[in-house]
Amino acid sequence: KQEVTQIPAALSVPEGENLVLNCSFTDSAIYNLQWFRQDPGKGLTSLLLIQSSQREQTSGRLNASLDKSSGRSTLYIAASQPGDSATYLCAVMTTDSWGKFQFGAGTQVVVTP
Amino acid sequence: NAGVTQTPKFQVLKTGQSMTLQCAQDMNHEYMSWYRQDPGMGLRLIHYSVGAGITDQGEVPNGYNVSRSTTEDFPLRLLSAAPSQTSVYFCASSKGQVIRETQYFGPGTRLLVL
Repeated sequence: KQEVTQIPAALSVPEGENLVLNCSFTDSAIYNLQWFRQDPGKGLTSLLLIQSSQREQTSGRLNASLDKSSGRSTLYIAASQPGDSATYLCAVMTTDSWGKFQFGAGTQVVVTP
Repeated sequence: NAGVTQTPKFQVLKTGQSMTLQCAQDMNHEYMSWYRQDPGMGLRLIHYSVGAGITDQGEVPNGYNVSRSTTEDFPLRLLSAAPSQTSVYFCASSKGQVIRETQYFGPGTRLLVL
């Protein structure tokens, strides 16, 4: 059974520092990995989607890498801003569970001015 | 486009009562799903559908029923509510090629079962 882990559970950084968020998964046979942002009391917003054949995806200040062999993905957020404060979640779809996404518990990020 | 909409936003039920959580999308998405989110546990998949008339179970389906009579709507039914079903429920949708498409989430329904 796929296990998705996000460590640390919470993170606080000063404004301007680069953010590094980690996502680990136990089964490397995945279709894709997605990163989401969740603001308090809100739904999830998709940030980046990496397919299994890709090594990374970039969107503005965000960059996500995927290393299937080690079961890891990293989300980098450059030059963090207070508006980046949110909970970040990753989710994977394993090839033997088409249509079923497995989420990590998330990392809560606070960017202090 | 309104995106993914969910009603109600908040609901209080007594143990044993039944109710239906509504989910609708106006993006002509084939794939729709229901999750529950509990503190410290991330999101867990309850049921999903790959098109009208087709549904399947997720990780935690017990106590919940779904049906998909139209592309737009995917209601979640609680047959006999239990305190363990107190949670925040999210509906999501994506285009048919789900392995290549991002998911769009609704704003959620907060359910309290007393």
